Amino acid sequence: DTEVTQTPKHLVMGMTNKKSLKCEQHMGHRAMYWYKQKAKKPPELMFVYSYEKLSINESVPSRFSPECPNSSLLNLHLHALQPEDSALYLCASSQGQFYNEQFFGPGTRLTVL
Amino acid sequence: DAKTTQPNSMESNEEEPVHLPCNHSTISGTDYIHWYRQLPSQGPEYVIHGLTSNVNNRMASLAIAEDRKSSTLILHRATLRDAAVYYCILNTGNQFYFGTGTSLTVIP
Repeated sequence: DTEVTQTPKHLVMGMTNKKSLKCEQHMGHRAMYWYKQKAKKPPELMFVYSYEKLSINESVPSRFSPECPNSSLLNLHLHALQPEDSALYLCASSQGQFYNEQFFGPGTRLTVL
Repeated sequence: DAKTTQPNSMESNEEEPVHLPCNHSTISGTDYIHWYRQLPSQGPEYVIHGLTSNVNNRMASLAIAEDRKSSTLILHRATLRDAAVYYCILNTGNQFYFGTGTSLTVIP
């Protein structure tokens, strides 16, 4: 199984809502990543988890809260988002922490009203 | 500032070779060069990566300049399925710095 799955595919939420994005991989990868991609722009790194511990937070606002419950699962909890947070949220995983190929999921398309 | 620079768009005829350039003049000695591509409504997909030597795989070839300040992704025979945005990426440790990408159009 060489797939990274993300749910939901699409999400519409209000600025006062709380929602979560989910990412799962069963390749035994020990590093997992969240990226944000705005339309016609490249992906931007948000968070890196290595061996289930947060190793990089690229100065992401606290309204985004990542969680790694186990080595296969990565969540992104969303609260009090702004309309400018609307974007494609991509999850990726890699075998090790450094210099490895990253496998990307299809993304969750988030719209904040 | 972007760590890599790429042309915004390129066109190629089907079954012709395609050379996609990338400049990364601030590359450090331990940075790997990765190429990924992204089809519409999909996540990025790995194409190839290298450090110093030229690399070949079943999808493409990567030619790295001797001073490592530039590289070229070579698709040997473009097909319609190769139409995508191609990202040149500097990989420092576990961080990927995406370039702005080149949108490749393949003309039948």
